[in-house]
Amino acid sequence: AQSVTQLDSQVPVFEEAPVELRCNYSSSVSVYLFWYVQYPNQGLQLLLKYLSGSTLVKGINGFEAEFNKSQTSFHLRKPSVHISDTAEYFCAVGLQGAQKLVFGQGTRLTINP
Amino acid sequence: DGGITQSPKYLFRKEGQNVTLSCEQNLNHDAMYWYRQDPGQGLRLIYYSQIVNDFQKGDIAEGYSVSREKKESFPLTVTSAQKNPTAFYLCASSPVAQITDTQYFGPGTRLTVL
Repeated sequence: AQSVTQLDSQVPVFEEAPVELRCNYSSSVSVYLFWYVQYPNQGLQLLLKYLSGSTLVKGINGFEAEFNKSQTSFHLRKPSVHISDTAEYFCAVGLQGAQKLVFGQGTRLTINP
Repeated sequence: DGGITQSPKYLFRKEGQNVTLSCEQNLNHDAMYWYRQDPGQGLRLIYYSQIVNDFQKGDIAEGYSVSREKKESFPLTVTSAQKNPTAFYLCASSPVAQITDTQYFGPGTRLTVL
């Protein structure tokens, strides 16, 4: 069975500092990987996704993520965060041939001025 | 303006009552989903529908029911059999039911059982 682990439940950073949100998964078959963002009291919005090809994926709002097959990771990064990046971030995994995603527990990113 | 609407935004229910959450989309998407969100647990899939008049159970379907009589509508009923229904409920849709498709989410309904 597949599972997704987001290693940090909360990440506080200062404005304009870099940030990395970690995501690891377990699966014995090929996977598709997603990062979604949830702003306060809203639904989720896709940041980026890895389906195939280049392991470095660029998304919206200056975020990027790198797929590392050997370490079964898909960490999300941004070189300089803004107050508006305050949100909860969810990593999700889908197996080839499956019809549903498995979501991680979420990481709450807090930006301090 | 295309998107997904959920109503109501906040819902209060007494124990023992059934309640129905609305989800409507005008994106012309075939697939629709219902998720439950609890603090620290991420999103868990309740039900999903790949096409009109068809739906499948997700990981936590017990105590819930759905219908898909129209392409644009996928209402969720939380029954009295659901032991702990207080949660944030999110509806989503995707063009087709492929794992590679982006899912588009509504703003959610927060259900509180009194």
